[in-house]
Amino acid sequence: GENVEQHPSTLSVQEGDSAVIKCTYSDSASNYFPWYKQELGKRPQLIIDIRSNVGEKKDQRIAVTLNKTAKHFSLHITETQPEDSAVYFCAVGVGNQFYFGTGTSLTVIP
Amino acid sequence: GAGVSQSPRYKVAKRGQDVALRCDPISGHVSLFWYQQALGQGPEFLTYFQNEAQLDKSGLPSDRFFAERPEGSVSTLKIQRTQQEDSAVYLCASSLAISAPPNQPQHFGDGTRLSIL
Repeated sequence: GENVEQHPSTLSVQEGDSAVIKCTYSDSASNYFPWYKQELGKRPQLIIDIRSNVGEKKDQRIAVTLNKTAKHFSLHITETQPEDSAVYFCAVGVGNQFYFGTGTSLTVIP
Repeated sequence: GAGVSQSPRYKVAKRGQDVALRCDPISGHVSLFWYQQALGQGPEFLTYFQNEAQLDKSGLPSDRFFAERPEGSVSTLKIQRTQQEDSAVYLCASSLAISAPPNQPQHFGDGTRLSIL
């Protein structure tokens, strides 16, 4: 099956700074790469996604980049705010399944 | 409802009891997924339905786990003879996809937190 690795596991940044989270995967057939934000005790919420025919996608302060050759994709959050504090999960879609990373706990320090 | 609804939100059961967890997907969503999320981990795939057909159950950890979606809408995940290692949050997600599920966003419910004593 697919092997998804996510780094770092924890990340602290000052408010206004940027945060970058990276995921690597193993299956070259993977073709869909969403990112989810999960606050404590709440549901994972899709924040951005990218498909394998696109290299970069941006939505306001959030962007995702994909390098299919190297099999990695990254989440970039600019101008971080305290409400960005949460656990972020990457996921990889292949076949009928999503494979999730182990999560990154992001803390934005006011 | 506007989103995926799961019930109950919390379930406590004694080891050996059977439990049933319910998922109401977003109306019109063809695909439905169940995940198990252990504390501090990402969701792990359990099973997938397209309408009433269970197309993939490769993630179910044992034959004590059973899922159904008889009318292609509401789904139930049943765990028989529960064990302590079954304690986790069980998440349901639905998707509008009618073709390749991984290419469509999945919308999650709040989950059921199951605790086995």
